[in-house]
Amino acid sequence: DIQMTQSPSSLSASVGDRVTITCRASQSISSKLNWYQQKPGKAPNLLIYAASSLQSGVPSRFSGSGSGTDFTLTISSLQPEDFATYYCQQSYSYLYTFGQGTKLEIK
Amino acid sequence: EVQLVESGGGLVKPGGSLRLSCAASGVTFKNVWMSWVRQAPGKGLEWVGRIKSKTDGETTGYAAPVNGRFTISRDDSKNTLYLQMNSLKTEDTAVYYCTKYSTRDALDSWGQGTVVTVSS
Repeated sequence: DIQMTQSPSSLSASVGDRVTITCRASQSISSKLNWYQQKPGKAPNLLIYAASSLQSGVPSRFSGSGSGTDFTLTISSLQPEDFATYYCQQSYSYLYTFGQGTKLEIK
Repeated sequence: EVQLVESGGGLVKPGGSLRLSCAASGVTFKNVWMSWVRQAPGKGLEWVGRIKSKTDGETTGYAAPVNGRFTISRDDSKNTLYLQMNSLKTEDTAVYYCTKYSTRDALDSWGQGTVVTVSS
């Protein structure tokens, strides 16, 4: 299986900050990388697909980049509603795997 | 708007069985690939398995921890996805989400989840 490793596991930031979350794959996955946001007690929500494409309806302050094994999710200016847990997920192998998650908390 | 509604969760003893259902609306169900994803209490997301559309052979695939115990099926006439879970273990305790594949292989629609608790 392809292992996905996110860093950091948790992050404290303030409203208006620029935040970057990193995801690393155990082998090259081309651009087959998706990002999800999950709020407590809710289902995850797709933010970014194919490493850098913004899902319809997602604010433009979210962006993704990377290819191969290293990827980033950037939030350009944190809003109160962005405090949540973020997961990366590879779709290169049919055996999908997720990162362990990054919990973004208010400083 | 796509809507996915899971049902069938509950409390079951180790070694028991349970069948989850997921009713889909707002999508041409027969044309889409579907999957199940679970989340143990306080833990991250774990992909369980997927089923392709009938056009693509209705092929299934499973994660190693559930392979041989869980079976995914679909009834396109009812717009419903199923997850048959046998030989349940305490580590199968989780919220189970029904999800839809996008054309770009992401999981673009999720149900609200159904809770499965495996305990004696």
